[in-house]
Amino acid sequence: AQRVTQPEKLLSVFKGAPVELKCNYSYSGSPELFWYVQYSRQRLQLLLRHISRESIKGFTADLNKGETSFHLKKPFAQEEDSAMYYCALSGGNNDMRFGAGTRLTVKP
Amino acid sequence: DTGVSQNPRHKITKRGQNVTFRCDPISEHNRLYWYRQTLGQGPEFLTYFQNEAQLEKSRLLSDRFSAERPKGSFSTLEIQRTEQGDSAMYLCASSLTGGITEAFFGQGTRLTVV
Repeated sequence: AQRVTQPEKLLSVFKGAPVELKCNYSYSGSPELFWYVQYSRQRLQLLLRHISRESIKGFTADLNKGETSFHLKKPFAQEEDSAMYYCALSGGNNDMRFGAGTRLTVKP
Repeated sequence: DTGVSQNPRHKITKRGQNVTFRCDPISEHNRLYWYRQTLGQGPEFLTYFQNEAQLEKSRLLSDRFSAERPKGSFSTLEIQRTEQGDSAMYLCASSLTGGITEAFFGQGTRLTVV
């Protein structure tokens, strides 16, 4: 069974501070991991995927298979980063499962 | 708007009534997913289709729930004999298959059972 855990429901940082949103997963095979973001009054949208090893809007995430983690990081948070962030895992059947989400608030 | 479209956006129904939601995916996407999201929770997987075939159903999907995708294009999700616990946002997403693909989400249908 595949499971995604986001231990923090709420995270609040000041503008310019580093931010890390935690994600741990459970999956017996080779997972595909994603971060989705939902800004206020907008639909869920993909932020980044582990396979691309990309940086989007200053965010990066590294898959750590030893720790079964895929934490999302940004060195300097901006107010516009305030949103709900969901970690998601896609298993062998490509059925995507989501964590409960972390609400990030970046204070001025 | 060529994205995923869901109708209606909002639905208020009395307990015991049946409701049906529609999802129109992005046209070339052959995978279609249904999720349910309640306040403070992430999207919970309900079911998904590969073309017209329903490949997996969550245990969350009781026998009051049924989903179809008759021609491999749009999909419907029906809830029979609605209960107050069915009140939630119902999300649809679609994606391509093969490789690592992004799921594109609709704006959801918010169901309120009174």
